[in-house]
Amino acid sequence: SQTIHQWPATLVQPVGSPLSLECTVEGTSNPNLYWYRQAAGRGLQLLFYSVGIGQISSEVPQNLSASRPQDRQFILSSKKLLLSDSGFYLCAWSIDRKETQYFGPGTRLLVL
Amino acid sequence: QKEVEQDPGPLSVPEGAIVSLNCTYSNSAFQYFMWYRQYSRKGPELLMYTYSSGNKEDGRFTAQVDKSSKYISLFIRDSQPSDSATYLCAMLGETSGSRLTFGEGTQLTVNP
Repeated sequence: SQTIHQWPATLVQPVGSPLSLECTVEGTSNPNLYWYRQAAGRGLQLLFYSVGIGQISSEVPQNLSASRPQDRQFILSSKKLLLSDSGFYLCAWSIDRKETQYFGPGTRLLVL
Repeated sequence: QKEVEQDPGPLSVPEGAIVSLNCTYSNSAFQYFMWYRQYSRKGPELLMYTYSSGNKEDGRFTAQVDKSSKYISLFIRDSQPSDSATYLCAMLGETSGSRLTFGEGTQLTVNP
């Protein structure tokens, strides 16, 4: 069966510090991978998606970036965090764009 | 106007009640409809997945899609305290450029 992991679970970072969140998927090959942000009282906002190694599409202009160095690894990064980057970050995968997306446990980020 | 509208609640019901959760949408291209359940501080988990119009039943859960009215519903029969969570609707079109679009979620509490 497929499993999706995210770490860390919780992160508190000062403004201006760098960020690296990691997501890995087990039990499937060549998945579509997604990064979402969920702010309190607001829906899920798609940040990035990837259909293959090194292929990243950005949905929202911001100071975040994503990379996919391996088939089942997806990384969300920032060089300098802003207060507005606080939120709940979710990684998801799907077999195909039309198939349902399965979510990881999420990383709660607080920027102070 | 948002593509997907969902009443955020909160909705509070007694144990055993029938719960009705709803979303409306404006994009007639949506063909795939999903309901996710999200417990506090956890990632969303898929509950129901339907294609086009019609009903789908899974245990105590029934999903309905009315494309003519651009309206989808999730019914929970014999609601339990363990059903207390936020319920998110999500939709996707057929075209390759379509993105999974989420409602903001309805917070449900089932009181014992």
